[in-house]
Amino acid sequence: ETGVTQSPTHLIKTRGQQVTLRCSSQSGHNTVSWYQQALGQGPQFIFQYYREEENGRGNFPPRFSGLQFPNYSSELNVNALELDDSALYLCASSLGATNRVNTGELFFGEGSRLTVL
Amino acid sequence: QKEVEQNSGPLSVPEGAIASLNCTYSDRVSQSFFWYRQYSGKSPELIMSIYSNGDKEDGRFTAQLNKASQYVSLLIRDSQPSDSATYLCAVKGPGAGSYQLTFGKGTKLSVIP
Repeated sequence: ETGVTQSPTHLIKTRGQQVTLRCSSQSGHNTVSWYQQALGQGPQFIFQYYREEENGRGNFPPRFSGLQFPNYSSELNVNALELDDSALYLCASSLGATNRVNTGELFFGEGSRLTVL
Repeated sequence: QKEVEQNSGPLSVPEGAIASLNCTYSDRVSQSFFWYRQYSGKSPELIMSIYSNGDKEDGRFTAQLNKASQYVSLLIRDSQPSDSATYLCAVKGPGAGSYQLTFGKGTKLSVIP
């Protein structure tokens, strides 16, 4: 069974630039969530995708956007980068469907560490 | 605003002792509770989930849930140096379609050989 993979693992951008982070979900998982983890903090929910639709969003501005593809992989895009966007971005996949019990268990990838200068 | 509170630590215990990690949450309708372990520079790894009041044991780990007190804890018996990590408490609300977890800031555990 293939786990969650993310790319790139590290990247450095300057303020005002745009970034795209990618995630391949665990085999058989159709729901992808993105979290932001600043240094010394717990992960914060950005948004979730199910069947290529955004299905829940946390308290993040519109410059954070995403996509989910038919193979359940996903992208996180951040426009107009700010210094405070420096963080570890975590993708988590899970098996979800509205007609099944959702245990809420998430399986995280290794993350993409973004530094904004 | 849903909140999950944890002592940031560090919590230091000697090897072989019991480590006790605590977490409180603010949203009474929360239904699912998780403990994640995060090694420095790595991503969170799910180690325990608990959904009903009482204790749930898995090897050296025991999760305890008290919904009336809005309290979750994790006990690690026979602590090992490899248990040294940050432990994140996470809470999920009701609803089959949501995977939004609210995390605490984590408790850093150090197991001293």
